[in-house]
Amino acid sequence: QLQLQESGPGLVKPSETLSLTCTVSGGSISSSSYYWGWIRQPPGKGLEWIGSIYYSGSTYYNPSLKSRVTISVDTSKNQFSLKLSSVTAADTAVYYCARREGHGAFDIWGQGTMVTVSS
Amino acid sequence: EIVLTQSPGTLSLSPGERATLSCRASQSVSSSYLAWYQQKPGQAPRLLIYGASSRATGIPDRFSGSGSGTDFTLTISRLEPEDFAVYYCQQYGSSPRWTFGQGTKVEIK
Repeated sequence: QLQLQESGPGLVKPSETLSLTCTVSGGSISSSSYYWGWIRQPPGKGLEWIGSIYYSGSTYYNPSLKSRVTISVDTSKNQFSLKLSSVTAADTAVYYCARREGHGAFDIWGQGTMVTVSS
Repeated sequence: EIVLTQSPGTLSLSPGERATLSCRASQSVSSSYLAWYQQKPGQAPRLLIYGASSRATGIPDRFSGSGSGTDFTLTISRLEPEDFAVYYCQQYGSSPRWTFGQGTKVEIK
């Protein structure tokens, strides 16, 4: 059974770079059928798509975050990663990684990891 | 950018009642790329419906999706206690990019 697990620091200082990794287990990240994505949710608010990546390395970013986001994939480790630069308090959120299936829906999600931006 | 607007913001119903949730898009959305999710407090979202009307694996048949173009609906035929949660619609569009609605909370009346 495919599982996703986010990992990374829970606290990041303002102006620094947030870095998270999603480890995929129970299946291969190199499957041609899927994209992999990052979604975030500020406390008490809705969901925001951050960006997605294909195993080949093709990336797609939310235009509102594009200047600060980098998503990469490491097929040898079955992982993909998120970097968000120049963070502010507005970037405080639960960050989820997820798999996107053929109809554009995210069918498998990690449990999420809370990241707080604070000095 | 396609904006998804969900209504109502909150739906207060009793177990056993029927819930009808709306998702309206600012531009036409391909039915193939409209999904619905359920989220309970402290949990990740769970995919309920994809392709506007197809139930995801393991989803009970009391959940159904319908609609096309700019108007989509999620219906829960008879609410069970575990169905009280927040529901989000989501579309996958050109660029490509993904956008979510702001959510509808289904609460116990």
